[in-house]
Amino acid sequence: EPEVTQTPSHQVTQMGQEVILRCVPISNHLYFYWYRQILGQKVEFLVSFYNNEISEKSEIFDDQFSVERPDGSNFTLKIRSTKLEDSAMYFCASSAQGIHQETQYFGPGTRLLVL
Amino acid sequence: QQQVKQSPQSLIVQKGGIPIINCAYENTAFDYFPWYQQFPGKGPALLIAIRPDVSEKKEGRFTISFNKSAKQFSLHIMDSQPGDSATYFCAASGGYQLIWGAGTKLIIKP
Repeated sequence: EPEVTQTPSHQVTQMGQEVILRCVPISNHLYFYWYRQILGQKVEFLVSFYNNEISEKSEIFDDQFSVERPDGSNFTLKIRSTKLEDSAMYFCASSAQGIHQETQYFGPGTRLLVL
Repeated sequence: QQQVKQSPQSLIVQKGGIPIINCAYENTAFDYFPWYQQFPGKGPALLIAIRPDVSEKKEGRFTISFNKSAKQFSLHIMDSQPGDSATYFCAASGGYQLIWGAGTKLIIKP
C-alpha cells in the first residue's frame, strides 16, 4: 500500500538555526499539506500546496516558514530561524484531489526539538 | 467559529464496551467530518468520514452519528478491543484544511 514518508524521524536543532523537513507524498497525489502537533495538543494545519503554489495557509505559517516541491517527488517545509515554540511533531499529508471530501494520508511525522 | 470541540479528553472502557466520543462545531460551512486514529509514534490515519447529508455512517465496528441541527457528531466503537486503544481525533473541513478537535485518548481494558 502506498504511503507518505518523512525524513528525518527526529531532528534536534539550536534556536535560530534553519531546518528543512522532507516528505515524499504518495506518487499520484497532487495536493500536499503540512500540519504540526505540539506535544499533547491538537493537530494544527499549516499549509496546503498544489501546482507549485500555496493554496491555503494558517496564521501559524508566517514568514519563517516556506514550502517547496524541489523535484517530482519531494515536498519540503523549511523553518528559517527556529524558535523554541517550533518544537513539535510535523506531519506531511497528501491527497489525490484537493476537494475537502478527499482523504488526506499522513506520514509518520518528524519530531522537531529546538533547544 | 473555526473551532471543533471534542470530548472527553480521555476514556477508559472495558473490552466489549462501546466508547462514544463527541465533537461539536460552529461553522455551518463545514461539510466534511472525518475521524482519525493515531497510535503512539505514528501519523493520524483516516478511520471513517461523513458528510452532512446523512445522519449515520457505519464501517465495520465504527459508526459516526451526525446531528446537523445541533452541529454535533460522534464516534461509536462497537465491541471495542484492546487494539483500539489509541488517540482519536475528530476534524471538520470546508476547504483544503482540516480543523481538528483536541483528541481523545482511549484505553480499552482487557
